[in-house]
Amino acid sequence: DIVLTQSPLSLPVTPGEPASISCRSSQSLLYGNVYSYLDWYVQKPGQSPQLLIYLGFHRASGVPGRFSGSGSGTDFTLTISRVEADDVGVYYCMQALQPGTFGQGTKLEIK
Amino acid sequence: EAQLVESGGSLVQPGGSLRLSCAASGFIFSRFEMNWVRQTPGKGLEWISRVTTEGSTTYYADSVKGRFTVSRDNAKNLLFLQMNSLRAEDTAVYFCARGRELTERGGSYRGLDPWGQGTLVTVSS
Repeated sequence: DIVLTQSPLSLPVTPGEPASISCRSSQSLLYGNVYSYLDWYVQKPGQSPQLLIYLGFHRASGVPGRFSGSGSGTDFTLTISRVEADDVGVYYCMQALQPGTFGQGTKLEIK
Repeated sequence: EAQLVESGGSLVQPGGSLRLSCAASGFIFSRFEMNWVRQTPGKGLEWISRVTTEGSTTYYADSVKGRFTVSRDNAKNLLFLQMNSLRAEDTAVYFCARGRELTERGGSYRGLDPWGQGTLVTVSS
């Protein structure tokens, strides 16, 4: 089974500052040497999870440009260029290759 | 706008059974794979099941394999999760989420989107 390891698990950030979350997979998520089946989701307090990034770096519809995904194979990063108060929540990576696993989650809070 | 609404969650005794439903609207349901994801109280997300567009192929997490069965009714735009032999550790909020779209050129994956609001299953005596 594919295991995803996120770090850090807690991320206090000052508004306006950047933030990054790492997700490492126990196996390559690259399919057909083209796409890495790694997504990023955020669950804001009291809400259902919502999609941010799919296939490693594609921003979902409506997601602000300050969110970006990078990486390939086994190492991935979610970056928020300038954190806003509304970004508070738990961020999860998920692999959709075999057939699904989530990381432990990273709780982003505002300093 | 694509929308998913789960129902069927309730309190059930250990060893009991329950069937969850997920009603889809705003998109062509039969063109999309569908997933179930759960969240135990105060903890993270766990992917538990996926069904292909025709319902012919299903996938399960090891934690529910042999006890849970996913199915769908494309004529009624409904997704189901039949849960048998329920255990205390199955207590969670269960979400359905839309997955891969089947297109003329094969599959098109754009993440799990949207998600429903979730339905709470409590397994306790």
